[in-house]
Amino acid sequence: AQSVTQLGSHVSVSEGALVLLRCNYSSSVPPYLFWYVQYPNQGLQLLLKYTTGATLVKGINGFEAEFKKSETSFHLTKPSAHMSDAAEYFCAVTPANQAGTALIFGKGTTLSVSS
Amino acid sequence: ETGVTQSPTHLIKTRGQQVTLRCSSQSGHNTVSWYQQALGQGPQFIFQYYREEENGRGNFPPRFSGLQFPNYSSELNVNALELDDSALYLCASSLAVGGQNIQYFGAGTRLSVL
Repeated sequence: AQSVTQLGSHVSVSEGALVLLRCNYSSSVPPYLFWYVQYPNQGLQLLLKYTTGATLVKGINGFEAEFKKSETSFHLTKPSAHMSDAAEYFCAVTPANQAGTALIFGKGTTLSVSS
Repeated sequence: ETGVTQSPTHLIKTRGQQVTLRCSSQSGHNTVSWYQQALGQGPQFIFQYYREEENGRGNFPPRFSGLQFPNYSSELNVNALELDDSALYLCASSLAVGGQNIQYFGAGTRLSVL
């Protein structure tokens, strides 16, 4: 069975500061990992994904995440926060051998950016 | 813009009623998944349809049912609505072809049950 834990339901940063959103997963088989962003009153937009290959993955809007198998982590980072980054962020996992089936989501982290 | 459209955007029903939510998949996608997102929570998997057949189901009762049509559009039906069914319902489409099967989400339908 898979599960996702997002540490910190709410993260606040200043504009220009480093963004770090934490995600730890549990999976009995190799995972595919995803970060999605949700703006108010909207659906989920894919930020980035890890499937195979390079463990450091780059996504849209300057975000990146690193898959660390030994730590079962997939933390999301951005070097410099922008006001437009304020949103809800969700980490999700699915087993690699069942790609395309159910995504298991964490509870989400709300990112606030102040000027 | 993901190419996945859902209707209606908002819906208000009363307890005990039935509701149908609709989803139009991204062109070329043959798989559709439905998720329920309660306020302040992450999305929870309801079920998935692949080529008009149910292809997996989460921990939801049978009063949640679905259909996928030959053009790969989809419906989510909920009978005997309960207050706890109030949530954002998200549809996601993907192309199940040996690969990553990335799911692309619509904007959702917000259902309020009074």
